[in-house]
Amino acid sequence: EAGVTQFPSHSVIEKGQTVTLRCDPISGHDNLYWYRRVMGKEIKFLLHFVKESKQDESGMPNNRFLAERTGGTYSTLKVQPAELEDSGVYFCASSLDTEFGGYTFGSGTRLTVV
Amino acid sequence: RKEVEQDPGPFNVPEGATVAFNCTYSNSASQSFFWYRQDCRKEPKLLMSVYSSGNEDGRFTAQLNRASQYISLLIRDSKLSDSATYLCVVNAASNYQLIWGAGTKLIIKP
Repeated sequence: EAGVTQFPSHSVIEKGQTVTLRCDPISGHDNLYWYRRVMGKEIKFLLHFVKESKQDESGMPNNRFLAERTGGTYSTLKVQPAELEDSGVYFCASSLDTEFGGYTFGSGTRLTVV
Repeated sequence: RKEVEQDPGPFNVPEGATVAFNCTYSNSASQSFFWYRQDCRKEPKLLMSVYSSGNEDGRFTAQLNRASQYISLLIRDSKLSDSATYLCVVNAASNYQLIWGAGTKLIIKP
C-alpha cells in the first residue's frame, strides 16, 4: 500500500511568490489533515478535510493560505503571497476514520521563504 | 501556558539504560493521548496510544494520569536506534485536532 505522498519535498521561494504544496493521501482515506511545524515551535494543526469538504479550518493562519481537495482525492495547499514566517515543514496526514491511531503522515514539504 | 508541555532535553542516556519522559497537558477534557516518534528530518510516526489503564508495547510503557494531567513514556533497555525526538500528542476535546508538544530529544550513547 502506497503511503501518503507529498510534493515537493523541498521548496525555496522568495517572499511575495506563490507556492503550491500537494498531498496524495492513502487511497480510500476520506480524512486528510494538514499540519505544519515552523522553526523551533510545535507542530500545529492547519485544517481537516472529510472527502472534499473542509471539516475544520480553524488552524489556517490567515487568508494567504488556501487549501483545496477537489474530488476528495489529493489536496493542495497554496500560499500566496508567501512571507518569511511561512517557512517550516508542512505535513499532510490521512486516515480512514477519525481514530488518531490510524493517522499516516507524509514525509513533509520543507518550505523556505527567503 | 502551552497546551502540551514537554522537557525538550536532550536526554543523553547510555545504551541499555532505562529512560522516562513526562508530558503535561492543560485541557482536562482531552480524550485521546499518544506518543509519536520523529527522526531527524522525517515525518512523525505513531509510537503508541496511551490508555487510562496504562499500556506496554515491548520495551515501551505508557501511563496516563488524568487527575494530574500528565502522560509518561518509559523506555527500558534502550537501544541506539531509540535516538529520536519523542512527541507527546493530545487530541483537542471538541474536535479532531491533534495538539502537539514540542518534543523531547533522546540521544542513546554506546
